[in-house]
Amino acid sequence: GENVEQHPSTLSVQEGDSAVIKCTYSDSASNYFPWYKQELGKGPQLIIDIRSNVGEKKDQRIAVTLNKTAKHFSLHITETQPEDSAVYFCAAGGNQFYFGTGTSLTVIP
Amino acid sequence: SQTIHQWPATLVQPVGSPLSLECTVEGTSNPNLYWYRQAAGRGLQLLFYSVGIGQISSEVPQNLSASRPQDRQFILSSKKLLLSDSGFYLCAWIPGQGSTDTQYFGPGTRLTVL
Repeated sequence: GENVEQHPSTLSVQEGDSAVIKCTYSDSASNYFPWYKQELGKGPQLIIDIRSNVGEKKDQRIAVTLNKTAKHFSLHITETQPEDSAVYFCAAGGNQFYFGTGTSLTVIP
Repeated sequence: SQTIHQWPATLVQPVGSPLSLECTVEGTSNPNLYWYRQAAGRGLQLLFYSVGIGQISSEVPQNLSASRPQDRQFILSSKKLLLSDSGFYLCAWIPGQGSTDTQYFGPGTRLTVL
């Protein structure tokens, strides 16, 4: 089965700085890579996703890059704001996902 | 539009008591449905998934079970809860017929077993 690793487990940045979260996966058949943001006590919310035929995707301050050869993908958040503080999960797969263990991001005002 | 509901939102149960958590989806038909558990400060563990009524696949053997009595209803049950069953239970869905890969999550149920 698929194995997704996510780093770092915790990340603190100053407001306005960038944050980068990285994930690796093991199954070369995986073709869909979503990122979720989970606020305390709530269900994860999809924030951005990328498919295997695309190398990069951007949505305002959030971007995701994918390197299929190396089997890794990353989430980039620029100009971070305090409301970006949350736990972020990556996932890999297709109809069934395998999630990373999460990154707790804290944006310090 | 599609929405997903979970109830109850929070639950406190004694060890050895039964459990029934419910998940329903509106605005779609024949969805794939999933149950996840999230222990405090940890990632998402897939427990069960279902591609249709009465079709349940188990990912992790344990004292939990799942059922899908109706197309848009997914139930997580236990006959006797353990302390280790405490956690945040999330239901998720994907629209049917493979129209998309995106998995959408419900608001979750916080279960505390004492």
